[in-house]
Order: sequence, then C-alpha cells, then structure tokens
Amino acid sequence: GENVEQHPSTLSVQEGDSAVIKCTYSDSASNYFPWYKQELGKRPQLIIDIRSNVGEKKDQRIAVTLNKTAKHFSLHITETQPEDSAVYFCAASIDNAGNMLTFGGGTRLMVKP
Amino acid sequence: EPEVTQTPSHQVTQMGQEVILRCVPISNHLYFYWYRQILGQKVEFLVSFYNNEISEKSEIFDDQFSVERPDGSNFTLKIRSTKLEDSAMYFCASSERAWGYGYTFGSGTRLTVV
Repeated sequence: GENVEQHPSTLSVQEGDSAVIKCTYSDSASNYFPWYKQELGKRPQLIIDIRSNVGEKKDQRIAVTLNKTAKHFSLHITETQPEDSAVYFCAASIDNAGNMLTFGGGTRLMVKP
Repeated sequence: EPEVTQTPSHQVTQMGQEVILRCVPISNHLYFYWYRQILGQKVEFLVSFYNNEISEKSEIFDDQFSVERPDGSNFTLKIRSTKLEDSAMYFCASSERAWGYGYTFGSGTRLTVV
C-alpha cells in the first residue's frame, strides 16, 4: 500500500521567515495530495491541495509543489505568523472508489514572535 | 459553510463494551469515511463507504468494527467489544466525489476506553 514520509517532524522559525515541509510517497498511482493544518484537539483542516495534473499551486502565503517523477511534494509558507503554529499533515490519495487518504507523520511548526 | 457533524464529542466506555459513534455527513456528499488518530500520532484510515457498501478498509478495521448508513443521513461506526488500544480520536469525513473534491472532516469523537 501507499506510504507517505514527512520531514521534518518539528520546525521552528522566526515570525516573518518562510517554512518548508516535505513529503515523499511510494505509490506512483497517487494523484491527489492535500495538506492539512491541525490545532490541538481539533479536526484536520484542509489548507491547500494539488492534483497530479499540475505542478504547483499557490494561495496567498501558502504554496504547494509536486514532482511526480521524484514522488515528492512540498508545502511552502511565506511570511509566517504566530497563528500558523500548528501540526501540519501531508496526505496522498488514489482516485478510486476507496479514496482513502494516507497521511504523513506530521510536522509541528512553531512560529516564534 | 456545510459541516460534517459528529456525536458525541467525548465518549468514555468500559473495556469490552460496545460503542456507536455517529456522524452526519454533508448532505450532497456521496463518499463517507472513518479515520482515527491516537493521541500525538498521525491520522489513520479505517474505512470508506460508497453506494451503500464498504469500498475500502484498512488492517485496523477488523471484525470488531462495522459501519452502517441506516437512514440515508447518519453514518455510524460500531466497535463491538472495545479494547484499551481503541482509545483515540475518531474522525468522520465525507466527500462530494472522487479525487478529493469537498473532502471534509468532522470535529471528531474522543473515545476513552477504561
């Protein structure tokens, strides 16, 4: 089955700096890659996603890049703010009847004011 | 914005007891899912449900687990005989269609088995 690895497990940045989180996946059939932000005790909230027919997507301070050949995708957050502090999960999915998401291990992002 | 609703928010049960976790997916969604998250760990897939049947399930989803959509609106997860290791946050999710469209998580049920 699919395996998603996520790095780093913790990331500490100064407010205003950029943060980059990287994920690799194992199943070349995966074609949907969402990123979730999870605050303590809350649900995973979708922040951005990318499908395999594009290589890059941007939404204000957040961007995601996908390299299908290398089977990796990355989340980029620019001009980080203290409210960006949370755990971020990447996930991968194959477009089939199951539509299961396989999650990475998570990155705890801490933005210091 | 439409939401996936889960009840109860917290359930405490004795080991060996049966529990039913309830979810109301978004009304026009066709795919339904259960995930679990043990404290401090990643979110793990349990089962997906489409067209009134299970479409995929993980190794975690053994004979102790079952799902049902009894009335066209609720989507339930039953754990027949709970074990201590079933303690986790259980998230229901639904999606409008395939390829991730509208994939939305509920706020979760924290299950504590004592």
